Amino acid sequence: EIVMTQSPATLSVSPGERATLSCRATQSVTSDLAWYQQKPGQGPRLLIYDASTRATGIPARFSGSGSGTEFTLTISSLQSEDFAVYYCQQYDDWPQTFGQGTKVEIK
Amino acid sequence: EVQVLESGGGLVQPGGSLRVSCAASGFTFSNCAMSWVRQAPGKGLEWVSGITSSGDKTYYADSVKGRFTISRDNSKNTLHLQMDSLRAEDTALYYCAKDGVGGIPEYYFDYWGQGTLVTVSS
Repeated sequence: EIVMTQSPATLSVSPGERATLSCRATQSVTSDLAWYQQKPGQGPRLLIYDASTRATGIPARFSGSGSGTEFTLTISSLQSEDFAVYYCQQYDDWPQTFGQGTKVEIK
Repeated sequence: EVQVLESGGGLVQPGGSLRVSCAASGFTFSNCAMSWVRQAPGKGLEWVSGITSSGDKTYYADSVKGRFTISRDNSKNTLHLQMDSLRAEDTALYYCAKDGVGGIPEYYFDYWGQGTLVTVSS
């Protein structure tokens, strides 16, 4: 199965700053990549699919880029509600697999 | 408003069985593939099982194949996961997730529930 590796494990950022999260696949997943946000006690929330398409209702400060094996989620100006854990997921090959997550914490 | 609500979690002994369910509303359930995704305490996400919109095909992760059975009742907008021969490593929060594309469970998930906790312990 395709293994997804996210970096860094933890990212410390001040409110208003930019956050850049990375996700790497062990083989090409073309653009079949999604990003999710998870807050404590909640189920994941879809942010981005097809590598760069924002899901319904997701603010423009969230953007996704990349293709093949290297992907990036950028949060342009962190708001207080953005501190959470972020997961990437590939759906190019069965089974769908997730990265281990990046925790974005307040610096 | 799309909602998926899991239920049925609890404490079960190793080797035991449990059935968890998911009640869906706010969308045409019979048009959508559905999946179960689990999260062990403090860990990441693992896809467990998926089912087509009609229920005619089911899919399982190798870790649960032969022990878990996914099913759905489109007349009641409900999804189920029957878990048999449970092991300690099955302990996790089990999420019901709606496929974001259509009738085959092979894409991303656009709506998730809050999960139901399954604990396997003696």
